[in-house]
Amino acid sequence: KAGVTQTPRYLIKTRGQQVTLSCSPISGHRSVSWYQQTPGQGLQFLFEYFSETQRNKGNFPGRFSGRQFSNSRSEMNVSTLELGDSALYLCASSLTSLDSGNTIYFGEGSWLTVV
Amino acid sequence: AQSVTQLDSQVPVFEEAPVELRCNYSSSVSVYLFWYVQYPNQGLQLLLKYLSGSTLVKGINGFEAEFNKSQTSFHLRKPSVHISDTAEYFCAVTDTRAGTALIFGKGTTLSVSS
Repeated sequence: KAGVTQTPRYLIKTRGQQVTLSCSPISGHRSVSWYQQTPGQGLQFLFEYFSETQRNKGNFPGRFSGRQFSNSRSEMNVSTLELGDSALYLCASSLTSLDSGNTIYFGEGSWLTVV
Repeated sequence: AQSVTQLDSQVPVFEEAPVELRCNYSSSVSVYLFWYVQYPNQGLQLLLKYLSGSTLVKGINGFEAEFNKSQTSFHLRKPSVHISDTAEYFCAVTDTRAGTALIFGKGTTLSVSS
């Protein structure tokens, strides 16, 4: 079956702009979580959505937001982009929420460069 | 709060040698533990996970890990590595609390040479 699909794979934005990244989870999966990966900070949890509700949010400013639709697809938005937002953004899906221990499957990520 | 410490940022080894990648975690509640591998320019692939039960967990590609609750460790091992095992390896933890997060260690770069 199809894996976790993230679009776009690569994008370049200018400081101050906003960006929306999309994630389609594995069919049947209801949990989607997002992560930021940078060389300096490593992999950091952004937030998890389960059944259209945000379950938890990591230590990121309010410029980072997300949502989940009824078909479990998710989007994350970053407003007023800063140079430090340049990163690989990874989406992951699992059958149920993170506290269940179900296997979490990752997409290949969206590479965001802010110039 | 949960945290994960991967004790080695880089581990160089020769092909066919054994390897151990170390991971320690901190949590006040029951945990689930994972090891992921990331090849260049790719997402993360699950190697193995520990939920409960047997403390020795076997995963894909010949990897295994042992959960040690008293030492709060979950070290990853492989008896004989291949060049193709060169990648970055991440240890991660989540737990049984509603609204938990998946917390990653900083990663260990495994470099296998001939």
